Amino acid sequence: GDSVTQMEGPVTLSEEAFLTINCTYTATGYPSLFWYVQYPGEGLQLLLKATKADDKGSNKGFEATYRKETTSFHLEKGSVQVSDSAVYFCALSRDTGRRALTFGSGTRLQVQP
Amino acid sequence: DGGITQSPKYLFRKEGQNVTLSCEQNLNHDAMYWYRQDPGQGLRLIYYSQIVNDFQKGDIAEGYSVSREKKESFPLTVTSAQKNPTAFYLCASQKASSSSYNEQFFGPGTRLTVL
Repeated sequence: GDSVTQMEGPVTLSEEAFLTINCTYTATGYPSLFWYVQYPGEGLQLLLKATKADDKGSNKGFEATYRKETTSFHLEKGSVQVSDSAVYFCALSRDTGRRALTFGSGTRLQVQP
Repeated sequence: DGGITQSPKYLFRKEGQNVTLSCEQNLNHDAMYWYRQDPGQGLRLIYYSQIVNDFQKGDIAEGYSVSREKKESFPLTVTSAQKNPTAFYLCASQKASSSSYNEQFFGPGTRLTVL
C-alpha cells in the first residue's frame, strides 16, 4: 500500500537558518504530493502541493519539488522565522478511488530567536 | 466566510458512553473525511464519504460510526466499542470536480479524552 516517510523530529534551528525536512513516499502510479502545517491545538493547513513529476510547489518562502526518480518531496526554506515553529506533515493522495490523504508521521520544527 | 467547523473543541467521555463529534462545512464540497491523530503520529483515516447517503470505512473504522444525510454534515460517533478513543479528531472536506480536486481542507479539530 501507499506510505510516506518523514525525518523524525524535533528539528531545532536558529532564526534565519536554512530548513530541510526530508520526505519520501511509496506508491504506484502518479500520486499528488502535499505539505501540510499544524500549529499547536489547531487543524491542518495546506502549505503547498505538486501534482506531477518535476512540479515545484511554493508558498510563504517554502518550496518542495516532486522528484519521481527518487520518490521524494523534501520541504525547504531559506530562512526560517520563529513563527514557522509548528508540525509539518508530508502527504500523498491519488486521483482515483477514495482520494484520502496518506500522511507521514509529522516533523516538529522549533525555531529559536 | 466558507470553512469547516467542528464541535465541541474539547470533549470528555466516561467509559461505556457513546459520543458524537460534529463536522459541518459550507464549502459545497462533495467529499468529507474523518481522521484520528495520536501524539507524535500522522493522521489515520477513520471513515470517508464521497456523496450524500454513502460512506466507506477507512483504515481504523472499528468502534466508530458515521452518517451522511446532508451534504454539509458528517458527524462521527465514537462508540463504547472503541477501546482507546482518547485522541485528536480532524474532519476534512474536498471538492470532487475542480482542478485541485484532491486538496483537502481541515476543520480545527476536537480533542476527545476518556475519563
